[in-house]
Amino acid sequence: DVVMTQTPVSLSVSLGGQVSISCRSSQSLVHNNGNTYLSWYLQKPGQSPQLLIYKVSNRFSGISDRFSGSGSGTDFTLKISRVEPDDLGVYYCGQGTQYPTFGSGTKLEIK
Amino acid sequence: EVQLVESGGGLVQPGRSLKLSCAASGFTFSNYYMAWVRQAPKKGLEWVATISTSGSRTYYPDSVKGRFTISRDNAKSSLYLQMNSLKSEDTATYYCARAPPYVMDAWGQGASVTVSS
Repeated sequence: DVVMTQTPVSLSVSLGGQVSISCRSSQSLVHNNGNTYLSWYLQKPGQSPQLLIYKVSNRFSGISDRFSGSGSGTDFTLKISRVEPDDLGVYYCGQGTQYPTFGSGTKLEIK
Repeated sequence: EVQLVESGGGLVQPGRSLKLSCAASGFTFSNYYMAWVRQAPKKGLEWVATISTSGSRTYYPDSVKGRFTISRDNAKSSLYLQMNSLKSEDTATYYCARAPPYVMDAWGQGASVTVSS
């Protein structure tokens, strides 16, 4: 199984600030077809997860450009700029290159 | 608008069975792989099963293989999860998800399953 390790476990940010969340995989996420299937999800309090970013850096439909993804191979980063109150929740990275696995989550709190 | 609505959750004794359903709407169900993902209380996300568009191929992690069965009825735009020999560690909220594949781009609101005597 591909193990996904996220850091930090939690972070606190002021409104308008910027944060980065790191995700590292135990194996390369480059698929045989050349694509890298690393996604980011946000689970807001009391809600189901929602897709933010797919294939490392592609924003899903309706997702603000304040969210950006980057990385390659085994190291990936989600950046959130100009943080808004609605951004709070738990962020998960997930991989689909092999059988799906997810990181343990990063809880974003607003100061 | 894509909608996924799970049903069938509840309290069940260890060793018993339960079947979850997911009603899909707002997209052509038969064109998409579908998946189940669960989340134990206060825990992270765990993939449980995936099924191909026709239903001919299914995939499971070792934690549920042989006990859980994913199926679909494309005529009814419905996804199912038959859970047998349930254990306390299967207690979780179970989410139905659209899986294009390689990603899960739409999620239901979840169905709560509690395995306890």
